[in-house]
Amino acid sequence: QLQLQESGPGLVKPSETLSLTCTVSGGSIISSSYYWGWIRQPPGKGLEWIGSIYYNGNTYYKPSLNSRVTISVDTSRNQFSLKLTSVTAADTAVYYCARQIVGATSDFDSWGQGTLVAVSS
Amino acid sequence: DIQVTQSPSSVSASVGDRVTITCRASQGIGRWLAWYQQKPGKAPKLLIYSASTLQSGVPSRFSGSGSGTDFTLSISSLQPEDFATYFCQQANSFPYTFGQGTKLEIK
Repeated sequence: QLQLQESGPGLVKPSETLSLTCTVSGGSIISSSYYWGWIRQPPGKGLEWIGSIYYNGNTYYKPSLNSRVTISVDTSRNQFSLKLTSVTAADTAVYYCARQIVGATSDFDSWGQGTLVAVSS
Repeated sequence: DIQVTQSPSSVSASVGDRVTITCRASQGIGRWLAWYQQKPGKAPKLLIYSASTLQSGVPSRFSGSGSGTDFTLSISSLQPEDFATYFCQQANSFPYTFGQGTKLEIK
């Protein structure tokens, strides 16, 4: 059974870089059927798609975050990662990694448990 | 970006009731809409994709319909475990966007 697990610091200082890793187990990240994505949810609020990556490294990001976001993949470790630069309090959220279906449906069918990242000095 | 608006933002209902939640997209998205259920402190769970296709393992009391700009999620005969927050997501075009959520509460 596929499992995704986020890891990384739970506290980041303003203006610094948020870095998270998602480890995929129970299946290979190398698949033509899936993208691998990051979604966040500020406390008490809705969901925001950040970006997604294909196993070959092709990425696409939410335009409003594009200048600050980098998503990368390490197929040898079955992991993908998120970097978000110049963070502010507005970036405080639960960050989820998820598997996204390639193709017309583009839904997120498997999610990690999420990790809370707070931006504070 | 395609905006997705859910209504209502919250609804109270009793066990056994039927509930309908609506999602409206700011432009036509065909049938490319998904529905998720989220319980407190948990990740969202995919319920329905392509507007009406039930994800494997999801009870048949959940159903989805719609196309174009207007979509509905219906839950027939509410069970205690159905009280949660529900989100829709447009999957038609990048950047993918979610509705603001509908909180289903026990009356």
